[in-house]
Amino acid sequence: NAGVTQTPKFQVLKTGQSMTLQCAQDMNHEYMSWYRQDPGMGLRLIHYSVGAGITDQGEVPNGYNVSRSTTEDFPLRLLSAAPSQTSVYFCASSRTDSFYGYTFGSGTRLTVV
Amino acid sequence: TQLLEQSPQFLSIQEGENLTVYCNSSSVFSSLQWYRQEPGEGPVLLVTVVTGGEVKKLKRLTFQFGDARKDSSLHITAAQPGDTGLYLCAGGFRGSRLTFGEGTQLTVNP
Repeated sequence: NAGVTQTPKFQVLKTGQSMTLQCAQDMNHEYMSWYRQDPGMGLRLIHYSVGAGITDQGEVPNGYNVSRSTTEDFPLRLLSAAPSQTSVYFCASSRTDSFYGYTFGSGTRLTVV
Repeated sequence: TQLLEQSPQFLSIQEGENLTVYCNSSSVFSSLQWYRQEPGEGPVLLVTVVTGGEVKKLKRLTFQFGDARKDSSLHITAAQPGDTGLYLCAGGFRGSRLTFGEGTQLTVNP
């Protein structure tokens, strides 16, 4: 009964490095999304997917890429890390759309130095 | 543009007190959800309300959706230290994504 699994839990990157944040869900949810959470700014949507092979941009997509080759996995790639990307990142999934509520992972705390 | 405004942003009370958190918007939503987030964890869904005027209860927590489906409130009776956390409201439209408020940080002191 894993739900949404995110790895790693913590990561420190140097400016300019790239990395992939992993997200996997075992609930056969069609909808998956990535948010970042910053103090005073709430949860902001980065990218989302309504099913395998379909992705779209949220409100803060710059500097991030996603792909959805399977229903289960939705990785988030940072192309060239910048200090402004220091944040806590959450992956979430839901059955079809937002109407049914999201299941969130436990987050990845990323620091870019 | 912040579609959902939560108030207050911070709330510190003593165990046993009652409290209300508000979530307001100028937009009409198909559904409104409340989440609670504890340090180091992701938000956890508490309730979804979909009908104007709807009231749902979860033990000591009472959730209400406004008649016009633009606002919601969360009332906690006899708060306990275990209620401490960040409370987030989120509005949704059918076939679209959730928009989150900035949250209310609640601290219940023993």
